[in-house]
Amino acid sequence: KNQVEQSPQSLIILEGKNCTLQCNYTVSPFSNLRWYKQDTGRGPVSLTIMTFSENTKSNGRYTATLDADTKQSSLHITASQLSDSASYICVVSPPRAGNNRKLIWGLGTSLAVNP
Amino acid sequence: SQTIHQWPATLVQPVGSPLSLECTVEGTSNPNLYWYRQAAGRGLQLLFYSVGIGQISSEVPQNLSASRPQDRQFILSSKKLLLSDSGFYLCAWSRGQGSNQPQHFGDGTRLSIL
Repeated sequence: KNQVEQSPQSLIILEGKNCTLQCNYTVSPFSNLRWYKQDTGRGPVSLTIMTFSENTKSNGRYTATLDADTKQSSLHITASQLSDSASYICVVSPPRAGNNRKLIWGLGTSLAVNP
Repeated sequence: SQTIHQWPATLVQPVGSPLSLECTVEGTSNPNLYWYRQAAGRGLQLLFYSVGIGQISSEVPQNLSASRPQDRQFILSSKKLLLSDSGFYLCAWSRGQGSNQPQHFGDGTRLSIL
């Protein structure tokens, strides 16, 4: 079983709508949790990084939340745009991982925003 | 601002041929550098990371090697490619200290082995 599970695997929404992507993890304790956006054929781009003590962090229309008690994180996208079509990846860093060596990557949620 | 360059973008190589992928970072000094492989349906797998010139750590045994001849240059190599080496290879950098530093990725190399 993966230590970082994301759901749904894929999602289709209409432009302008909101959506929420889920990330469940078993890594405990952990140093930080990250969300990345990866366009097809491109490298991932960092959206947010939250330490274990943070509950929410925003980056424009992207808002990540973290519930360390239930070991869940979500990424909420507001007023979606066609350019939001991408894979969104949840990543957890174990404590004392040092230099990003032991990051645990989820498989991502593939989001398609249709006009 | 910092930028990271990877090339080539795509590469088709026969089995048994050598490989050299290059990655360079601009606008920062002494970065941590990483090579990842991303296979379909699987999460990113860390192959190598480096904290300084000539310092390479391998995370998984494999047919590949890495070198860092200059502070902002990271090279992924193989003497003889295998079919299983096909995949999407990503180079990344992060600032040197702390586990809360984001990684910044290049646009990757799509490697196909025939």
